[in-house]
Amino acid sequence: EAGVTQSPTHLIKTRGQQATLRCSPISGHTSVYWYQQALGLGLQFLLWYDEGEERNRGNFPPRFSGRQFPNYSSELNVNALELEDSALYLCASKGSYEQYFGPGTRLTVT
Amino acid sequence: QQQVKQSPQSLIVQKGGISIINCAYENTAFDYFPWYQQFPGKGPALLIAIRPDVSEKKEGRFTISFNKSAKQFSLHIMDSQPGDSATYFCAASMGGGSEKLVFGKGTKLTVNP
Repeated sequence: EAGVTQSPTHLIKTRGQQATLRCSPISGHTSVYWYQQALGLGLQFLLWYDEGEERNRGNFPPRFSGRQFPNYSSELNVNALELEDSALYLCASKGSYEQYFGPGTRLTVT
Repeated sequence: QQQVKQSPQSLIVQKGGISIINCAYENTAFDYFPWYQQFPGKGPALLIAIRPDVSEKKEGRFTISFNKSAKQFSLHIMDSQPGDSATYFCAASMGGGSEKLVFGKGTKLTVNP
């Protein structure tokens, strides 16, 4: 069974630009979660999508947004990038109870 | 109240020893407690998880001990191996695991040969 996949692996953007990150969940999983892992800040919850709807969002500004498509894949958009947005962005999909993480997208903002 | 406090921040153990990582929480609504292992450059991998109706769960060399009254849980790694060297995160969630995960800050484990 294929795991959670994320693309791209690395993304380099300049301040003020927009970034789009993509996630494909494990087959059969309908919930997708996004987390940010920034140096020194640990893993912080960003967004949760289930059945195409946004169920919850973490304490992040509105320039962090996303969506979930009918095939349950998901997209995270970060507008007006700031230097502190540099981090590993992790996507997880949920089975019965467990969240399984993808390898992440390393976003670097210069 | 949403925090999960994890200790120690780093841990050095000799091969064959026992590694113990502790976590504490405040929110009694948490009802699902997983542990994740993360190697550099990789996403976190689920190791083992427990619910509050069980005081201990063992999978291979990994054991979770759960103390509901103290609102604490811990990960024990028996017979620690150099390949176990990684960062370990405890987490907690509500809604039987359906809600967001709240993570501890992580423990960097080094197992010396």
